[in-house]
Amino acid sequence: QKEVEQDPGPLSVPEGAIVSLNCTYSNSAFQYFMWYRQYSRKGPELLMYTYSSGNKEDGRFTAQVDKSSKYISLFIRDSQPSDSATYLCAMSAKGGYQKVTFGTGTKLQVIP
Amino acid sequence: DAGVTQSPTHLIKTRGQQVTLRCSPKSGHDTVSWYQQALGQGPQFIFQYYEEEERQRGNFPDRFSGHQFPNYSSELNVNALLLGDSALYLCASSSPGTSRDYGYTFGSGTRLTVV
Repeated sequence: QKEVEQDPGPLSVPEGAIVSLNCTYSNSAFQYFMWYRQYSRKGPELLMYTYSSGNKEDGRFTAQVDKSSKYISLFIRDSQPSDSATYLCAMSAKGGYQKVTFGTGTKLQVIP
Repeated sequence: DAGVTQSPTHLIKTRGQQVTLRCSPKSGHDTVSWYQQALGQGPQFIFQYYEEEERQRGNFPDRFSGHQFPNYSSELNVNALLLGDSALYLCASSSPGTSRDYGYTFGSGTRLTVV
């Protein structure tokens, strides 16, 4: 079993829709949770990071962490065609020097 | 402000050869991590360098080695290349010493094809 599971999609939604992306994990030591966006032929770009359980909002993006269920989510409101990319969840046991474990990524397409 | 710079962008090598990939971290960052991303997969951690030493290593064989220089730049070396080493190799820099900066800044990667 992989430490981090993520539905690879692809996920196709109309412009303006609310998008929900999810990951589950098995390692209870994970405390730092991140979402990265990766456009084709580019490296991943950090979108959000949260520590432990709770919610964090940044513009159209909201990240949620439920450590009791080992489940994290990223919500995108008012989705735009420019949001079309692969979204990677990532997590680590500690910040700083600890390695980061990534999900396989969910490919999102927002249709105008 | 330059981000993470990787070279070369693309590379084609023959099975059994050796390859060196290079990375310059983002200005102000002192830690470099290397990841391998196979097609359709998430990045897999290879190793991390800080203060010119390997601090952590993922589940990769000894054919994968690295180095960090005093200016924080880094190299990834892969010996005895296998077809399965074909992937996007990503360099990520960070500065864990700064408060709450737990995210990486990634380069655009080096696409390695082994034939």
